[in-house]
Amino acid sequence: QVQLQESGPGLVKPSQTLSLTCTVSGGSIRSGSYYWSWIRQPAGKGLEWIGHIYTSGSTNYNPSLKSRVTISVDTSKNQFSLKLSSVTAADTAVYYCAREILAWGQGTLVTVSS
Amino acid sequence: QTVVTQEPSFSVSPGGTVTLTCGLSSGSVSTSYYPTWYQQTPGQAPRTLIYTTNTRSSGVPDRFSGSILGNKAALTITGAQADDEADYYCVLFLGSGISWVFGGGTKLTVL
Repeated sequence: QVQLQESGPGLVKPSQTLSLTCTVSGGSIRSGSYYWSWIRQPAGKGLEWIGHIYTSGSTNYNPSLKSRVTISVDTSKNQFSLKLSSVTAADTAVYYCAREILAWGQGTLVTVSS
Repeated sequence: QTVVTQEPSFSVSPGGTVTLTCGLSSGSVSTSYYPTWYQQTPGQAPRTLIYTTNTRSSGVPDRFSGSILGNKAALTITGAQADDEADYYCVLFLGSGISWVFGGGTKLTVL
């Protein structure tokens, strides 16, 4: 059964770039025709889809975040990554990675603060 | 901008049946939107219950079911239990540009 684990800094300064990695285990990120997603949830609020990447490398992003988001995949490490630039306090949230939108990681809290 | 709508809160008695809905601010939900439902308890990641309208995820009890009711997607819980008390989210696929949009969630109380 596929498992996903997010990792990255828990604290990012305003205006800097948030970088997270999702490590996939229990299956190759190259196998199957899946897409790999990032979703976030501010404390006490709802879920927000950030974007996803197909194994082929093609991406789709939330229009509201598109100008600041980059999702990439590293098949050699069985990982995919999220970069969110020019962060503000409004980007403080638990960030989840998922295969499609079905199998989720446990999430990692990222706080934007100086 | 299209908004995915859910009831903010709902209450059900233990053993009772409750139907939560997932709609669109403009238009009707169909199977083409691949409705997906999640259950989230405090401090936990969302757990996928139902995907592509009515397919239960592995290990999900059959008292959880998904459907299209009228112009909305629906999640029905039959024989509610105390540990069904949680936040429930739906998500819809709105096309290759917007892709996935989540509803605001429904806080379900079992009492």
